[in-house]
Amino acid sequence: NAGVTQTPKFQVLKTGQSMTLQCAQDMNHNSMYWYRQDPGMGLRLIYYSASEGTTDKGEVPNGYNVSRLNKREFSLRLESAAPSQTSVYFCASSEQGITEAFFGQGTRLTVV
Amino acid sequence: SQQGEEDPQALSIQEGENATMNCSYKTSINNLQWYRQNSGRGLVHLILIRSNEREKHSGRLRVTLDTSKKSSSLLITASRAADTASYFCATDAARGKLIFGQGTELSVKP
Repeated sequence: NAGVTQTPKFQVLKTGQSMTLQCAQDMNHNSMYWYRQDPGMGLRLIYYSASEGTTDKGEVPNGYNVSRLNKREFSLRLESAAPSQTSVYFCASSEQGITEAFFGQGTRLTVV
Repeated sequence: SQQGEEDPQALSIQEGENATMNCSYKTSINNLQWYRQNSGRGLVHLILIRSNEREKHSGRLRVTLDTSKKSSSLLITASRAADTASYFCATDAARGKLIFGQGTELSVKP
């Protein structure tokens, strides 16, 4: 099993460009998450989806949108990228919100 | 602000020594989890302790939970160089969101 797969692994954007980060899981999990990780800040929750068709804001949702396309896929969209969005983005999934989460390998995004 | 706060932020020990990391959180929880991250990679789940448990063991890991103090500790016994990583606690805040602390960076010197 692949687990949680994120694409792309690396991306460089110019300020104002848009892009979508893709995440797919093959574990039939209900819950999916998007986090960003910055030096010294740990992981901060951007958006959360408890089940297909539902999404909820996390700690730092501004500047992002998400889509829970189906049970497998949860995408994160930056409509107009800003340098402050330079970060490593992690997608994760869990059977439910209160159980063990499995992480993807991350997307390293640089906005110049 | 983040739910969990780890202490210390960084810890450096010799191989064979024990490493203790602490986590404090703010709101009531159903469970608390500990994760490990090797340099820039995805996080890996280590152990989960439920709110009605006080202590849990897994191999060289021992986790304690004190809900009255809203704190948890992770003890790694007989540490190895391969234990060098960042360690994070995570709690399930309202509506099932998994919220992480800032992490403890552990360095184990051979």
